[in-house]
Amino acid sequence: KQEVTQIPAALSVPEGENLVLNCSFTDSAIYNLQWFRQDPGKGLTSLLLIQSSQREQTSGRLNASLDKSSGRSTLYIAASQPGDSATYLCAVKRGYSTLTFGKGTMLLVSP
Amino acid sequence: DVKVTQSSRYLVKRTGEKVFLECVQDMDHENMFWYRQDPGLGLRLIYFSYDVKMKEKGDIPEGYSVSREKKERFSLILESASTNQTSMYLCASSLWTGASNQPQHFGDGTRLSIL
Repeated sequence: KQEVTQIPAALSVPEGENLVLNCSFTDSAIYNLQWFRQDPGKGLTSLLLIQSSQREQTSGRLNASLDKSSGRSTLYIAASQPGDSATYLCAVKRGYSTLTFGKGTMLLVSP
Repeated sequence: DVKVTQSSRYLVKRTGEKVFLECVQDMDHENMFWYRQDPGLGLRLIYFSYDVKMKEKGDIPEGYSVSREKKERFSLILESASTNQTSMYLCASSLWTGASNQPQHFGDGTRLSIL
């Protein structure tokens, strides 16, 4: 059974810092990996999707990498801002388009 | 932009009631999903559907059923609500299964309280 772990569970940084969020998964037979952002009391917003054949994806200040063989992904956020404060979730795609989610990293960026 | 709309943001019901949660998407997506999200447990898949009138159980289907009579609409039904079904419920949709580059798109969620 696929398990997804995110470390750390919570992170607090001052504005302007570069930071890395980690995601690991136990079964490397995945179709893709998605990173989401969730604001308090809201739904999920898709940030980046990396297909199993890709190594990384970039969008603005965000860069996600995937090492399928070792079961790891990282989300790099450059020059963090208070508006980046949210919970970040990673999820791996298994069969029938279903996703298995990690429990998230709660990020607080202070001014 | 894809829009996934859940009919209620907040809902309060009583134990034993039959509860309907509605979800509509406007992008002609084949796949639709229902999750619940609980502190410490994360998101867990309840049911999903890959076509009209088709449904598959997810990881925690007990106590729930679903209905998909039209492609754009996916309903989650709590047959007899219980207090342990108090949770945040999230609906999502995506394009067909075969493509590995299609993300899931989520609604804003329904916070359901069962008293």
